[in-house]
Amino acid sequence: SAVISQKPSRDICQRGTSLTIQCQVDSQVTMMFWYRQQPGQSLTLIATANQGSEATYESGFVIDKFPISRPNLTFSTLTVSNMSPEDSSIYLCSVGGQVYTGELFFGEGSRLTVL
Amino acid sequence: DAKTTQPPSMDCAEGRAANLPCNHSTISGNEYVYWYRQIHSQGPQYIIHGLKNNETNEMASLIITEDRKSSTLILPHATLRDTAVYYCIVRDTGTASKLTFGTGTRLQVTL
Repeated sequence: SAVISQKPSRDICQRGTSLTIQCQVDSQVTMMFWYRQQPGQSLTLIATANQGSEATYESGFVIDKFPISRPNLTFSTLTVSNMSPEDSSIYLCSVGGQVYTGELFFGEGSRLTVL
Repeated sequence: DAKTTQPPSMDCAEGRAANLPCNHSTISGNEYVYWYRQIHSQGPQYIIHGLKNNETNEMASLIITEDRKSSTLILPHATLRDTAVYYCIVRDTGTASKLTFGTGTRLQVTL
């Protein structure tokens, strides 16, 4: 298993600002993903964070709004840009193992509230 | 990835077996069935997965029908700590394929 640390765990942000969420893993992993969970909803995949190249975004998510970095095999960041109240969600980092079998490990999430 | 259908909610008495069904009638031959759960205010937790044979681990058993169009997750002796949302997901075996979560089943374990 992998231990995943996310920062911040929660934050309250003002409309129009941006916030960067960090995801640190205790081991090298091949696959890293960012999910969003809006209040009372299921998880929605935002993007796959690719090491050394641009992230792969899912339909409905764009790089300008959710820029992602992945400088190495243990770390990634997700920025939520120009936030609005609709961005109030839990953002979760998840990782697969060295050999990705579909078993994902999740961080505890970062709960953002946008006023 | 194939779509799954789960009941929105279920109740189970503590100590009894919880049987959570999932329909995945459009599953293709190279797609696995995965189960995750999410306890309130936590990140999702992997439970079990399988392709065609029944699987068992320390958490649960997974029963997949012979035609693979449905499956059942069994928690043999449910406890209050098993109260959570349970997600059934099908995923292609391709290494780049991601997991797509549906709406899941909210299991409430009661005394």
